[in-house]
Amino acid sequence: NAGVTQTPKFQVLKTGQSMTLQCAQDMNHNSMYWYRQDPGMGLRLIYYSASEGTTDKGEVPNGYNVSRLNKREFSLRLESAAPSQTSVYFCASASLAGPYNEQFFGPGTRLTVL
Amino acid sequence: GENVEQHPSTLSVQEGDSAVIKCTYSDSASNYFPWYKQELGKRPQLIIDIRSNVGEKKDQRIAVTLNKTAKHFSLHITETQPEDSAVYFCAAPGTGANNLFFGTGTRLTVIP
Repeated sequence: NAGVTQTPKFQVLKTGQSMTLQCAQDMNHNSMYWYRQDPGMGLRLIYYSASEGTTDKGEVPNGYNVSRLNKREFSLRLESAAPSQTSVYFCASASLAGPYNEQFFGPGTRLTVL
Repeated sequence: GENVEQHPSTLSVQEGDSAVIKCTYSDSASNYFPWYKQELGKRPQLIIDIRSNVGEKKDQRIAVTLNKTAKHFSLHITETQPEDSAVYFCAAPGTGANNLFFGTGTRLTVIP
């Protein structure tokens, strides 16, 4: 089992460009999450999907959209990238919705917006 | 949402010494407190968690303590080893939350 996978690993964008970060899990988990990690800020939740067919905003959703394509895949889209979105993005999944279930993280995507 | 504060931001200890990382939370209804470890360039991974019906939980060299009255919880690592060097994150859920709020992280360096 690959666990949680993310593509791409690295990306450089110019201000105003768009891109989609892909995430997939093969653990048959119901819940999936997108975080961003910035120095001194810890992990901040952007969006999450408690189950297939549902998505909800987290702490920092502005400038992002998500799609829960199916049970395995959860994508994050930046429609018009800004330098403030330079960060490391982590996708995670958990067996069930709710905070009590261990979250399994992907390897991360390092995004730079110039 | 929940406000989780974590201290210190950096911590250096000699190999074999103990390390303590502390977190406070704001929502008295929070009842679950996990700790994640992130090695350099790697993904965060759960190392231990505690629920509010217990005051302490141990797993070999790591332990977590919880003080619900004071709304703080701590991670204790004894007999530290170089492989303990990493960033550690605490987290808490908050009232009715379907997700976790993370602290800002502590970078632990164990000096051989």
